[in-house]
Amino acid sequence: EAQVTQNPRYLITVTGKKLTVTCSQNMNHEYMSWYRQDPGLGLRQIYYSMNVEVTDKGDVPEGYKVSRKEKRNFPLILESPSPNQTSLYFCASSRHPPGQEDMGSNQPQHFGDGTRLSIL
Amino acid sequence: KQEVTQIPAALSVPEGENLVLNCSFTDSAIYNLQWFRQDPGKGLTSLLLIQSSQREQTSGRLNASLDKSSGRSTLYIAASQPGDSATYLCAVLGGDAGGTSYGKLTFGQGTILTVHP
Repeated sequence: EAQVTQNPRYLITVTGKKLTVTCSQNMNHEYMSWYRQDPGLGLRQIYYSMNVEVTDKGDVPEGYKVSRKEKRNFPLILESPSPNQTSLYFCASSRHPPGQEDMGSNQPQHFGDGTRLSIL
Repeated sequence: KQEVTQIPAALSVPEGENLVLNCSFTDSAIYNLQWFRQDPGKGLTSLLLIQSSQREQTSGRLNASLDKSSGRSTLYIAASQPGDSATYLCAVLGGDAGGTSYGKLTFGQGTILTVHP
């Protein structure tokens, strides 16, 4: 089954304790992306990756790191988490970066089920 | 900086009604616009994607239109059903006149739709 898997689904931790949220897709997708969703602010893009070893900042990259050493995985790293990073996080992937044509068809993004982080 | 606004923020309708959700964006230099559905506790499901060169897309009871020059898109849902209850999000992909695809998506805050029997 084609899917995007995030782990953990829920995490409560404390300020300053490094954590990693993993994201894995089994569809051989080139494009992967991380978002955070906050009440009143909607979904905001943190980082995205066009392909292996190619990453770029989204709208709210501060306090986050990513890596893309292999195509299927795109971990989100919080080196020193702070309470303002308490949020719902989503990972997404698509075969090509959003908008690129592929045999004339649209490229939907596949989203994981989310990771709810609480940082005390 | 691109800003995306969705109106209304919430909508409650009886089953069977046709309804329209609105999305507006400030920078018309987009590559495409997507409509998503989000169910509580779940991720997003892509519903429709409209390339910047297109005017509309249809899928079943859903029809999305795009007027890039005025910075507007609408999602039309025909004959609404209780199963349509969800949050609907639109998102635009930044682009340029050359059509180069960038990876940065900007989302609206969503419209919470409730369809009651």
